[in-house]
Amino acid sequence: EVQLVESGGGLVKPGGSLRLSCAASGFTFSNAWMSWVRQAPGKGLEWVGRIKSKTDGGTTDYAAPVKGRFTISRDDSKNTLYLQMNSLKTEDTALYYCTTDKAPNWATYYFDYWGQGTLVTVSS
Amino acid sequence: SYELTQPPSVSVSPGQTASITCSGDKLGDRYACWYQQKPGQSPVLVIYQDNKRPSGIPERFSGSNSGNTATLTISGTQAMDEADYFCQAWDSSTAGGVFGGGTKLTVL
Repeated sequence: EVQLVESGGGLVKPGGSLRLSCAASGFTFSNAWMSWVRQAPGKGLEWVGRIKSKTDGGTTDYAAPVKGRFTISRDDSKNTLYLQMNSLKTEDTALYYCTTDKAPNWATYYFDYWGQGTLVTVSS
Repeated sequence: SYELTQPPSVSVSPGQTASITCSGDKLGDRYACWYQQKPGQSPVLVIYQDNKRPSGIPERFSGSNSGNTATLTISGTQAMDEADYFCQAWDSSTAGGVFGGGTKLTVL
């Protein structure tokens, strides 16, 4: 059974930093492409960024609002995905989910498993 | 940047068919998928690659995608289907995921 457990959320002041973790189990993590998706309170879903598997280059892509501030990384030896968030803004307040990704061809990409999320609140 | 548009709300009577649309420029040229999110829960994938159902998703959920519009159809809607539904596609030009704003489905 696929399990994704996020942690590391909390209250942080604007301009501060936070690192989220996502512990994965039930599948071969090293082969998986992974994403972070966030949801502001009462709002819709927003893709944050992704990381490919190391065998596929291990490259990352980010949404425009977080590019240059957020960094996604992975530790395949620990089956863990990370999201380093710097220069946080009040608009980054959201529930952050990690997901497993599927991209069977160039035209399709979806998020097939989701964690329960960890809440990040940016406020002074 | 690529955008997907959904109606904010859709209402349906129990046992009837609910249709939720998702519009985007030439959306039919790429694959769409759909997520169901009930209050206080994480999203669940219900349709991928336009019309495929993941294991465990009831047959009453189906999807289509053509032109500028993808549609999620729920046949014989049940009270348990009341939830928010989000469409999603991939913008290969920016290498980024794109979600619609979500549709609240009310079964009454």
